[in-house]
Order: sequence, then structure tokens, then C-alpha cells
Amino acid sequence: EPEVTQTPSHQVTQMGQEVILRCVPISNHLYFYWYRQILGQKVEFLVSFYNNEISEKSEIFDDQFSVERPDGSNFTLKIRSTKLEDSAMYFCASKPRQGPNYGYTFGSGTRLTVV
Amino acid sequence: DAKTTQPPSMDCAEGRAANLPCNHSTISGNEYVYWYRQIHSQGPQYIIHGLKNNETNEMASLIITEDRKSSTLILPHATLRDTAVYYCIVSKGYQKVTFGIGTKLQVIP
Repeated sequence: EPEVTQTPSHQVTQMGQEVILRCVPISNHLYFYWYRQILGQKVEFLVSFYNNEISEKSEIFDDQFSVERPDGSNFTLKIRSTKLEDSAMYFCASKPRQGPNYGYTFGSGTRLTVV
Repeated sequence: DAKTTQPPSMDCAEGRAANLPCNHSTISGNEYVYWYRQIHSQGPQYIIHGLKNNETNEMASLIITEDRKSSTLILPHATLRDTAVYYCIVSKGYQKVTFGIGTKLQVIP
């Protein structure tokens, strides 16, 4: 079964450093999303991305965050200057173009720890 | 805020059917009902979705009431590996989904 792949599985970084979280969505999917989950809290929407531009973003997704699809396969989330409160699980998800009402396929996540 | 209401926790004996309820009284006509689950801190896993008809796949069955204001996810023979948090979500198209706290299902041996 096709999978959304995320790397790394765990990233530890110092406060103020830049991090890039990587995702390889399913090959025929064209809609991409980032969500995050702080330990013990709900899964929260960050941003959606289609046709090389942001479709929607949440209040969490401020100027410190950016997304990019640098090539035909990768989808990245960059945090420019990490804060302690950015520590969370970050999940990438995707949906196929031909099925707007299909469910999301989520990756297994990247655990980001900011120290 | 999530547009659904679920009990925070449920127990189910292994081998029995697990019936997880969800209220979505403000669902609009073109919104679907989706169910996902999350095991530990893994990524949410899609289970099933439906608009108004009952649906069944290899994982579960989804029963939606005629007025579409509530639904039930049925895991016909729960196993220990079905222990997870189950999320009921209403959404349409490619819009973002809003996760609530879900139902923590504990399958008991």
C-alpha cells in the first residue's frame, strides 16, 4: 500500500536553529498538508499546499514557518528559528487529485525536540 | 473547534464488536463523515468515510443515521491492536480537517 514517508523520524535541535522536515507524499497525490501534535494535545492543522502554493494556513503558521516543494517528490516544512514550544510531532499528509472526498494519508511523523 | 462530539473513552472486550458513537448535528449537506485512528504517537490512520449510506471495508463499518446527525463506527471483532484514539471528523473536498480529542478505545484481553 502506498505510503507517505517522513524524514527524519526524530530531530533534536537547539533553540534558534533552523530545521527542515521532509516528506515524500504518495506519487499521484497533489494536495499536501502539514499538521502537528504537541505531546498530550490535539492534532492541529498548520498548512495546506496545492499547485506550488499555500491554499490555507492556520494562525500557528506564522513567518517562522515555510513550505516548499523543491522537486517533483519532496514536500518540506521549514522552521527558521525554532522555539521550545515548537517541540511536537509533525505529520505530513496528502490527498489524491481525483478524489477530493477520499481520506488523508498521513506519514508516521517527525518528532521535533527543541532544547 | 471540532464539529463532532465523541465519548472520551470506551472499553471493549477482545473479540467483541466495538461500537464507537459520534454526534455531528451541525453537519452540512455536502460534508462527509470520516473516521481516523491514532495508535500511540503514530500518524493518524484513515479508516472509513461516508456521506449518507452505510459503508463497510476491510477494517470497519460505518453506520450513519438517516438525518445524518450521528454515526457509529463498528469494529466487528476488536483485537488488542485496535487499542487507539478514534477520531470522527466531518469535512468536504480538500479543506483542512479539525481533530477533536477523539475516543480512547481500550481493548481488554
